[in-house]
Amino acid sequence: QLQLQESGPGLVKPSETLSLTCSVSGGSINRSSYYWGWIRQPPGKGLEWIGSRYYSGSTYYNPSLKSRVMISVDTSKNQFSLKLSSVTAADTAVYYCARREDGYSAFDYWGQGTLVTVSS
Amino acid sequence: EIVLTQSPATLSLSPGERATLSCRASQSVSNYLAWYQQKPGQAPRLLMYDASNRATGIPARFSGSGSGTDFTLTISSLEPEDFAVYYCQQRGYWFITFGQGTRLEIK
Repeated sequence: QLQLQESGPGLVKPSETLSLTCSVSGGSINRSSYYWGWIRQPPGKGLEWIGSRYYSGSTYYNPSLKSRVMISVDTSKNQFSLKLSSVTAADTAVYYCARREDGYSAFDYWGQGTLVTVSS
Repeated sequence: EIVLTQSPATLSLSPGERATLSCRASQSVSNYLAWYQQKPGQAPRLLMYDASNRATGIPARFSGSGSGTDFTLTISSLEPEDFAVYYCQQRGYWFITFGQGTRLEIK
């Protein structure tokens, strides 16, 4: 059974960089035909796709965040990471990592989510 | 950017009743539409993918339909555990968007 687990600081100062890691167990992150993505949810609000990375290395980002986002992969640790720079209070949210199979519409496996608060 | 509009924002029903949730896309998404259920403090749970396919372990009372721009999630007979927030989500060639959600509450 595939499992995803987010980790990282729960508090980030304004203007700094938010860094989160998603550890994947029960399957290889290097397996073909999968996208590994990040989605966030501000408190009391809806879901927002941040971006995804294909197993081949191609990355796709939400245009509204593209200038500040980077998703990378560490295949040796079976992990992928999110970096979001120049954060503000508007970036306070629960951050989820998730997997989507190429050719299908949905994210089928999700992490439990981690709350990141941007505050001084 | 494809915008997904869900209606109604809130749906108040009783256990045993039928629930019909709508998701409309600003342009065609073919059948590349998914539905999720989210309960407080939990990650979204995949219900339906590619508009009409139930995800693994999802009860048969959940069904999805539609293609192009208009989609529906139907819960045939509500169970107490079905009261939650429901989101639709589309995937374009590379850009993914979610609807704003429908809250299904107990009447």
